[in-house]
Amino acid sequence: QVQLQESGPGLVKPSKTLSLTCTVSDGSISSYFWNWIRQPAGKGLQWIGRIYSSGSTNYNPSLKSRVTMSVDTSKNQFSLKLRSVTAADTAVYFCAREEAETGPDAFDIWGQGTMVTVSS
Amino acid sequence: EIVLTQSPDFQSVTPKEKVTITCRASQSIGSNLHWYQQKPDQSPKLLIKYASQSISGVPSRFSGSGSGTDFTLTINSLEAEDATTYYCHQSSSLPWTFGQGTKVEIK
Repeated sequence: QVQLQESGPGLVKPSKTLSLTCTVSDGSISSYFWNWIRQPAGKGLQWIGRIYSSGSTNYNPSLKSRVTMSVDTSKNQFSLKLRSVTAADTAVYFCAREEAETGPDAFDIWGQGTMVTVSS
Repeated sequence: EIVLTQSPDFQSVTPKEKVTITCRASQSIGSNLHWYQQKPDQSPKLLIKYASQSISGVPSRFSGSGSGTDFTLTINSLEAEDATTYYCHQSSSLPWTFGQGTKVEIK
């Protein structure tokens, strides 16, 4: 059973860059779409973007100017960078897999989430 | 961007009662609508995909229906463990979007 695990700093200063990595275990990162989704405390889910194993990306237009995603197939990892963060970026960040290899599809596997706080 | 609007935002129900949650899309999305359950401090769990397809391991009391712009998640005979928050999600058109969530509480 494929598992996802997010990792990265839990505290980021305002105006800096938030960097997170999602490690895929017990399965291959190849031939799937891998997504980042966030959830502010007590609020709903917001899709940030996705990356295919080949490196092609799609971003939410509301965040596109600040987001970069990358993939490292040799490490079975994909990453998120969010630049110029503010307190509004404080949230739990989840990584998730789209079920179908060709996409688009439902998110069948999720990481446990990692809390990121933006504060000085 | 496709906006998904769930109703109600909150529902208080008694055990064994039937629960119906609606998700309405701002434009037609075919059957590209999925439902998730999220318990406190956990990641969302896929319940139903493509409007009505069941997911292995999910209790049969959960079912979905609809197409186009109107979708429904039904919980037949609510159990205490079902008292949590539910979200719909569309994969018809980028950017993927979610409904605002429906919280189900036990009376």
